[in-house]
Amino acid sequence: QQQVKQSPQSLIVQKGGIPIINCAYENTAFDYFPWYQQFPGKGPALLIAIRPDVSEKKEGRFTISFNKSAKQFSLHIMDSQPGDSATYFCAASNSGYSTLTFGKGTMLLVSP
Amino acid sequence: DAGITQSPRHKVTETGTPVTLRCHQTENHRYMYWYRQDPGHGLRLIHYSYGVKDTDKGEVSDGYSVSRSKTEDFLLTLESATSSQTSVYFCAIRKDRAEAFFGQGTRLTVV
Repeated sequence: QQQVKQSPQSLIVQKGGIPIINCAYENTAFDYFPWYQQFPGKGPALLIAIRPDVSEKKEGRFTISFNKSAKQFSLHIMDSQPGDSATYFCAASNSGYSTLTFGKGTMLLVSP
Repeated sequence: DAGITQSPRHKVTETGTPVTLRCHQTENHRYMYWYRQDPGHGLRLIHYSYGVKDTDKGEVSDGYSVSRSKTEDFLLTLESATSSQTSVYFCAIRKDRAEAFFGQGTRLTVV
């Protein structure tokens, strides 16, 4: 069964801190790893995504680090702001299978 | 919202009644998905479609059926609603095997 394990379940950081959310996967055929951000009452929205041919990708304050040998990837949020408070989901899929498998999510609270 | 509309947005129904949720897209994307979101479980795939009349089961498909008679519409039916199906349901679309766009969700309560 395809699985993506996400940790921690919840995270509280102070403004300006660097929250880190980790995900691990089992299926070595996965080749697309997105992160989604979800605010209360809204649908998840794509934040950033990476493919396994690179070890890191940055978009603004958001960075994905990818470790293919360990089958792990993580999201770092630099200079976090209260507006970043949301639920974050990692996900994975492979090009031979059209579905996305999601982690269980991390509730992030950035205190002022 | 990437041209996705879910309806209804909220629904309360009684146990044992049939319920149909609708997902409509204006993007002409091939792939459409139904997920449910529950505390502690994240997003779990119910059913998905890879074309008109082409559908397949996800990890939590029991008690649900789907239909896709047109590219733009993907319907999720609960034949006989149960309290365990109280959840928030999200539709998603995907043009290719990359970014997925989600709708705003339907909050379903089965009493």
